[in-house]
Amino acid sequence: KQEVTQIPAALSVPEGENLVLNCSFTDSAIYNLQWFRQDPGKGLTSLLLIQSSQREQTSGRLNASLDKSSGRSTLYIAASQPGDSATYLCAVIINDMRFGAGTRLTVKP
Amino acid sequence: GAVVSQHPSWVICKSGTSVKIECRSLDFQATTMFWYRQFPKQSLMLMATSNEGSKATYEQGVEKDKFLINHASLTLSTLTVTSAHPEDSSFYICSAFDGNSPLHFGNGTRLTVT
Repeated sequence: KQEVTQIPAALSVPEGENLVLNCSFTDSAIYNLQWFRQDPGKGLTSLLLIQSSQREQTSGRLNASLDKSSGRSTLYIAASQPGDSATYLCAVIINDMRFGAGTRLTVKP
Repeated sequence: GAVVSQHPSWVICKSGTSVKIECRSLDFQATTMFWYRQFPKQSLMLMATSNEGSKATYEQGVEKDKFLINHASLTLSTLTVTSAHPEDSSFYICSAFDGNSPLHFGNGTRLTVT
């Protein structure tokens, strides 16, 4: 059974700092991997999707990488802002979608 | 872009009643829909996977007779919480998948059972 782990569980940084969120998964035969953002009490916002054949995707200040062989993905956030404060979830798809527990990010002004 | 509409966004019901949550894909055909539940301060947990026209596949520990899922068309799936109890109070989110594009999520339904 696919297990998805996210480290750290929580992260607090000052505004402007670059940061990395980690996601690991046990079954490397994934269809794709997706990073989401969740604001308190709200649904999910898709940030980046990486197909299994891809190594990375970039959108604005966000860059996600994928290393299937080692079962790892990272989400890099450049020049963090208070508005980036949210919970970030990674999810992998094989036959269904499995989520990590998330990293709760707080960016302090 | 693709949009998934989930309704209602919040609902309060009395214990013992049933609640239906709808999930619609507005501009694409969702061959697969997923239903998730999220308790406070916990991660999203997959409840069931439904493919259009077939019975849903439930995750271990999820009662199929309590959480009825219908996926009768390529644009609509419903989750009915039958005989709801306070412990069913949670945030329910659906997502729709057409086999190619990224998964698209509804905005969720916050269920409170009193």
